[in-house]
Amino acid sequence: DVKVTQSSRYLVKRTGEKVFLECVQDMDHENMFWYRQDPGLGLRLIYFSYDVKMKEKGDIPEGYSVSREKKERFSLILESASTNQTSMYLCASKAGAGSGANVLTFGAGSRLTVL
Amino acid sequence: SQQGEEDPQALSIQEGENATMNCSYKTSINNLQWYRQNSGRGLVHLILIRSNEREKHSGRLRVTLDTSKKSSSLLITASRAADTASYFCATAPTSGTYKYIFGTGTRLKVLA
Repeated sequence: DVKVTQSSRYLVKRTGEKVFLECVQDMDHENMFWYRQDPGLGLRLIYFSYDVKMKEKGDIPEGYSVSREKKERFSLILESASTNQTSMYLCASKAGAGSGANVLTFGAGSRLTVL
Repeated sequence: SQQGEEDPQALSIQEGENATMNCSYKTSINNLQWYRQNSGRGLVHLILIRSNEREKHSGRLRVTLDTSKKSSSLLITASRAADTASYFCATAPTSGTYKYIFGTGTRLKVLA
């Protein structure tokens, strides 16, 4: 089974701190995604990566950056955390082609609280 | 902006009953998918239906798609307490294949 692992399930950070959320997938997927999930708003795409070192902005990239130095790892960075970034963050991956190319595989999520 | 809308927002049923939830969307799609999310966890893919399909089955799940009405429904038959979760539809538009659009979800509670 494809596995997407998010390094931290729960984090508590202070306003202004730099925050790293790590995501690793083990199925050689080309595409990786970071979403945030807030009550009543569903999932919103922050950033997408279709290859190593390649990234595209999603719907809400402001206040975030990403890094993809290796195919299996996609990191989300909050340069200076703010309270409005308190949320559940979900990483996902999918194959670039083939029978599974349409299906997203999600990690368990990282719940971030910014005080 | 979110374009997928699930209906109802919340649903509570008895074990053994069927649960139906609906999804409406706004753009032309390549396919529509349903995902389940247990409380505080990530989403798990359930079923995918392509734009040229009208109905699809997988175990106790039945999905229908009406592209003329831009709507889909997910039916879970003979529900179990373990089906308690939130259910999301996600559409993959015909252009921009990475821009999946998720709905806001239906919270299903199955009472034992």
